[in-house]
Amino acid sequence: GENVEQHPSTLSVQEGDSAVIKCTYSDSASNYFPWYKQELGKGPQLIIDIRSNVGEKKDQRIAVTLNKTAKHFSLHITETQPEDSAVYFCAASMRGRGGSNYKLTFGKGTLLTVNP
Amino acid sequence: DAGVTQSPTHLIKTRGQQVTLRCSPKSGHDTVSWYQQALGQGPQFIFQYYEEEERQRGNFPDRFSGHQFPNYSSELNVNALLLGDSALYLCASKPGGSTDTQYFGPGTRLTVL
Repeated sequence: GENVEQHPSTLSVQEGDSAVIKCTYSDSASNYFPWYKQELGKGPQLIIDIRSNVGEKKDQRIAVTLNKTAKHFSLHITETQPEDSAVYFCAASMRGRGGSNYKLTFGKGTLLTVNP
Repeated sequence: DAGVTQSPTHLIKTRGQQVTLRCSPKSGHDTVSWYQQALGQGPQFIFQYYEEEERQRGNFPDRFSGHQFPNYSSELNVNALLLGDSALYLCASKPGGSTDTQYFGPGTRLTVL
């Protein structure tokens, strides 16, 4: 089955700096790659996603890049703010029967701390 | 517009007992997935329900079962609880068809003593 590796496990940056989190996946059939932010005591919140027919996607301070050949994708956060502090998860999924994506396979998460 | 809701928020059970967790999907969503998140780990897929049927299942034993109702809400049942079942149980919903994006609820924290 699919396996997703995520690095680093912890990341500490100064407010205003950029943060980069990297993930690799094992199954070349995966075609959908979301990123979730999880704050303490809450469920994961989707922050951005990318599909395999796109190499890069940006939404304000957040961007995601995808390299299908190398099977890795990355989350980039610019101008970090203290409220960006949380655990970030990458995930991958592939189309099943009927053309819909079923399960998400998650990485183990990155604890991002933004110091004021 | 209400998002995904789950109940209860917290639950404490003892080994060997049975538990039922509930999920109401986001308005307009008809597909529900359940995930188990152990402390310090990423969520692990349990199963997905669509049109009241289990559509895909992860690597979880038969002690884990589910149900989806005609109004698209869902239940997760776990029998013969083990200490290792202690985790945050998350429900995610999405519209049917080929839409990929899943939205998560706040989860139910299950503690097995």
